Amino acid sequence: AAGVIQSPRHLIKEKRETATLKCYPIPRHDTVYWYQQGPGQDPQFLISFYEKMQSDKGSIPDRFSAQQFSDYHSELNMSSLELGDSALYFCASSSGLSIYNEQFFGPGTRLTVL
Amino acid sequence: RKEVEQDPGPFNVPEGATVAFNCTYSNSASQSFFWYRQDCRKEPKLLMSVYSSGNEDGRFTAQLNRASQYISLLIRDSKLSDSATYLCVVNGGQGFSFIFGKGTRLLVKP
Repeated sequence: AAGVIQSPRHLIKEKRETATLKCYPIPRHDTVYWYQQGPGQDPQFLISFYEKMQSDKGSIPDRFSAQQFSDYHSELNMSSLELGDSALYFCASSSGLSIYNEQFFGPGTRLTVL
Repeated sequence: RKEVEQDPGPFNVPEGATVAFNCTYSNSASQSFFWYRQDCRKEPKLLMSVYSSGNEDGRFTAQLNRASQYISLLIRDSKLSDSATYLCVVNGGQGFSFIFGKGTRLLVKP
């Protein structure tokens, strides 16, 4: 079965650079969630989208923005990168907007900021 | 107090053992609960949702205690392949955010 696709899988950037992470949800899933997982930490919820609209916002820094497109893929844009942004960024998708819906995670993008 | 708390472990158990994990949550408005497993440097994978009546899937049983605000996961007949970190996930109580616990690490040894 098709899973969540994230690209790139690995990304290395310098401080103050920008990065764009992409997420392609499972076919027919219309809800996307972004999480940040630092080394040895639990995933932290950043932001979510349903039907191209932001559905909730968590601990996403102002330097980051995200959107969901008409084909339901989502992009996380990160600017003025800091060393502390180095982390694994997961995207998850689900079908419909409900707190009871199970989320399925992509393999993540490992971002390293030097 | 963290919103979702788990014993970090590690729990070291022999193959065939039964092991139980607990997870407590602080927001009484939380309505949905899940257990995920995460292998090192991999994505979290859904293990099971947790329903009010409790639910079982093979060797795995999940329970919810709303009064005491905790959920549990019981693994029977542990396999080597069960070695992983088990993450408790709770919805934030309002909106569509979800909060992860720090996870409990399980090591199953031969």
